Amino acid sequence: QKEVEQNSGPLSVPEGAIASLNCTYSDRVSQSFFWYRQYSGKSPELIMSIYSNGDKEDGRFTAQLNKASQYVSLLIRDSQPSDSATYLCAVNIDGSARQLTFGSGTQLTVLP
Amino acid sequence: DAGVIQSPRHEVTEMGQEVTLRCKPISGHDYLFWYRQTMMRGLELLIYFNNNVPIDDSGMPEDRFSAKMPNASFSTLKIQPSEPRDSAVYFCASSFTSGKIPYEQYFGPGTRLTVT
Repeated sequence: QKEVEQNSGPLSVPEGAIASLNCTYSDRVSQSFFWYRQYSGKSPELIMSIYSNGDKEDGRFTAQLNKASQYVSLLIRDSQPSDSATYLCAVNIDGSARQLTFGSGTQLTVLP
Repeated sequence: DAGVIQSPRHEVTEMGQEVTLRCKPISGHDYLFWYRQTMMRGLELLIYFNNNVPIDDSGMPEDRFSAKMPNASFSTLKIQPSEPRDSAVYFCASSFTSGKIPYEQYFGPGTRLTVT
């Protein structure tokens, strides 16, 4: 079982819709969870971090964390074509670790 | 503030040649990470440093790979000799230890390496 799993997609949503991206992780002691956005040919860009159970909102982005079920999700409201990218979930596997383990990413396409 | 800086942005070399990739982390950051990204394997951690000291190099694929961090503002990743299977995008990232949890990492633009 991979330590951090994401649906590879591709996920397509129409412009203005809500895009929902999911990630599961294997280690119950993980403490830090991140979502990165990566445009084709570019580097990963941090868009959300979440450390506590529940929801965290930042503009059109909402991160949701459920440690009991070991999943973290990212909702993008009012999706725009500019949101089309690969979204990477990152988790610190082993609560004390400083390094992050990345999922393989979900490719999102927002259709105009 | 300047972000993480990497050079060169593109490198094309022949098999057997030595390749050196360079990274300047964000000023004040005390962790530096080297990653490799390929379509097949995704984003893989190669090695990371804390306060210029290598902490975990278990991701370094072979002895042909080596990394150094002589000071807080500079790190190198060297491949000698290079092979075609080393072709990938190499990213450097840095992070800062706050009082809480330090793991937010900021990535440089990457170096696209092609070994022919």
